[in-house]
Amino acid sequence: EIVLTQSPDFQSVTPKETVTITCRASQSIGSNLHWYQQKPDQSPNLLIKFASQSISGVPSKFSGSGSGTDFTLTIESLEAEDAATYYCHQSQRFPHTFGGGTKVEIK
Amino acid sequence: QVQLQESGPGLVKPSQTLSLTCTVSGDSISSGGSYWSWIRQRPGKGLEWIGYIYYTGNTYYNPSLESRVTLSVDTAKNQFSLKLIAVTDADTAMYYCARDRTRNWFDPWGQGTQVTVSS
Repeated sequence: EIVLTQSPDFQSVTPKETVTITCRASQSIGSNLHWYQQKPDQSPNLLIKFASQSISGVPSKFSGSGSGTDFTLTIESLEAEDAATYYCHQSQRFPHTFGGGTKVEIK
Repeated sequence: QVQLQESGPGLVKPSQTLSLTCTVSGDSISSGGSYWSWIRQRPGKGLEWIGYIYYTGNTYYNPSLESRVTLSVDTAKNQFSLKLIAVTDADTAMYYCARDRTRNWFDPWGQGTQVTVSS
């Protein structure tokens, strides 16, 4: 199965900062990489599909890039409501797999 | 607006069968536009995809669980279900159902249901 490795595991940032989260795949997955936000006690919510495609209703502060094995999620101008755990997910090959998550804390 | 809602027992005894149902509203399973997945999140762990089902009954399971999992669909009730046999405490988790668009991304997800395996 394809292993997704996210970094960092945890990041503490001040409001208005920009955060970059990386996701590395154990083999090439093209652009079949999706990002989710999971706030405490909530289910995950789709942020970005196919590495860089925006989702209707998701603020433009969230953006994704990458292809092959290396991907990034960038969150600009962080606010308190962005405190969450962020996961990447690959659909290139079954079984679907997820990264271990990156917890973002707002100072 | 598409919504998914999981239901089922919150407590299951070891060696018994975990059974959950996901009720879909705002979309028709039988329309064939989507696949329907189950995903779980064990305490302190990340997300684990369990498998998907299509309205025809076609399924694909995660090999790590394939020997114990069965997914089924009831198009008349617009529901799909998960059965996991021979559970152990390692199956204690939050279980989510989700719409699986084109076998790619999951959107939306249900709110999740906590299942604890304990005697």
